[in-house]
Amino acid sequence: QQQVKQSPQSLIVQKGGIPIINCAYENTAFDYFPWYQQFPGKGPALLIAIRPDVSEKKEGRFTISFNKSAKQFSLHIMDSQPGDSATYFCAASFGYALNFGKGTSLLVTP
Amino acid sequence: DAGVIQSPRHEVTEMGQEVTLRCKPISGHNSLFWYRQTMMRGLELLIYFNNNVPIDDSGMPEDRFSAKMPNASFSTLKIQPSEPRDSAVYFCASSLGFRPGELFFGEGSRLTVL
Repeated sequence: QQQVKQSPQSLIVQKGGIPIINCAYENTAFDYFPWYQQFPGKGPALLIAIRPDVSEKKEGRFTISFNKSAKQFSLHIMDSQPGDSATYFCAASFGYALNFGKGTSLLVTP
Repeated sequence: DAGVIQSPRHEVTEMGQEVTLRCKPISGHNSLFWYRQTMMRGLELLIYFNNNVPIDDSGMPEDRFSAKMPNASFSTLKIQPSEPRDSAVYFCASSLGFRPGELFFGEGSRLTVL
């Protein structure tokens, strides 16, 4: 079964908007939560990651918000740009294996 | 510095044929993963190697799939015989260490089985 549930499946925002992608998990043993970005024809690439001892992490225009009690985490993209159009995957792990969400296809229109 | 290199990038074959996908991980990385990506199931872990030893192959769909890592710089994923439902993009990824840090993915091998 899918250990990490991701929503929405797709998202369209205008340039400058703030898309938000949400993920939920059940396994409380998970202790590492990365987000990967994938462009067409390419492999996923690490965007930003968080561990459960913090509630928020920012790297440039990308922010992860983490709610341990709710077992949820989300990705916010500030001042989104057309170049951010890609598929975004959340993931969770407690060992070597990353459990990926099914992905969100983001389109940022000019 | 070269990233993870996969070949072939595209493979079209007929049902029943043998398919071999190849991967060269980043030099110095000691963990190697094979993932399969489909629209329906997303990214699925097939097999994980650490220091060239298979640690977890529970994601390998069935006996038709096999993977090897004869040395630190080369791995193969073989499907024999191939079936149309094996059509997917197969990714190889490598990382440094046993605990997950950053996974570096190759560009994938798109397999189409007719």
